[in-house]
Amino acid sequence: GAGVSQSPSNKVTEKGKDVELRCDPISGHTALYWYRQSLGQGLEFLIYFQGNSAPDKSGLPSDRFSAERTGGSVSTLTIQRTQQEDSAVYLCASSLVTGAGQPQHFGDGTRLSIL
Amino acid sequence: GESVGLHLPTLSVQEGDNSIINCAYSNSASDYFIWYKQESGKGPQFIIDIRSNMDKRQGQRVTVLLNKTVKHLSLQIAATQPGDSAVYFCAENIWWGGSNYKLTFGKGTLLTVNP
Repeated sequence: GAGVSQSPSNKVTEKGKDVELRCDPISGHTALYWYRQSLGQGLEFLIYFQGNSAPDKSGLPSDRFSAERTGGSVSTLTIQRTQQEDSAVYLCASSLVTGAGQPQHFGDGTRLSIL
Repeated sequence: GESVGLHLPTLSVQEGDNSIINCAYSNSASDYFIWYKQESGKGPQFIIDIRSNMDKRQGQRVTVLLNKTVKHLSLQIAATQPGDSAVYFCAENIWWGGSNYKLTFGKGTLLTVNP
C-alpha cells in the first residue's frame, strides 16, 4: 500500500510476555518514528531512526523497550517482560527525511493490551 | 485551546459553523508546525503545515495562522461538517542538533460537530 502499515493491529498478551510490533514505512522514506499514545492522551515520542541508525533513543521508557530497523525500511519495536502500564496504542510514522518541512505520516497503530 | 503538554480541551460546534482550534507552543526556536486530525481508532492524519517564515497558510477549508510573537498557532475549519469530528493535534518541530529534528505534540483538542 501507499501508506505506513503496522502489524498486528491489535495485540492482547499476558503480563510478563514479550511482544514484537512491526512497522512498514512509506517506500523511500528514510526517517521512521515510534510513538506511544495512552487513552485520551497525546503522543509520547519513543525512538527515531534515520536510515538504520537511531540517533535519538531518549524516549524509550525502560530497558525492556528496544527497536531496530533493517535495510532502511521495516522496523520492529520489542517490549520484553510486558507490564500492564505498557498497554497503549503504539504508532509508527515515517517521513522522507528529517527536518523542517517534512511532515510525518502515521500508520493506524497497534493497540496493545496487557492482561 | 490547547497547549503542548496540557489537558485535552473540547470544542463543540454546529454543522456549517466555522471552527477555531488554538495551540500555544513552548519553543521559540521551533521552525515548523503541523496540524493533525485523529479519528477514533485511526492514526493521526496530516492536515496542513506551516513554516516559521509564514504567518498564514490556506488549504481546502482549513487555514493555519502562526503568531510567533506570542507563540500561538491556530487551525480554522470553514463550514464544519460532521466528518470533521475528531481530535486535532498541533505539533512543533524542534531542532536538537546536527540534522536531527523532533516533533513534539500537544495532547489535542476534541472537536464535536453537531448536525
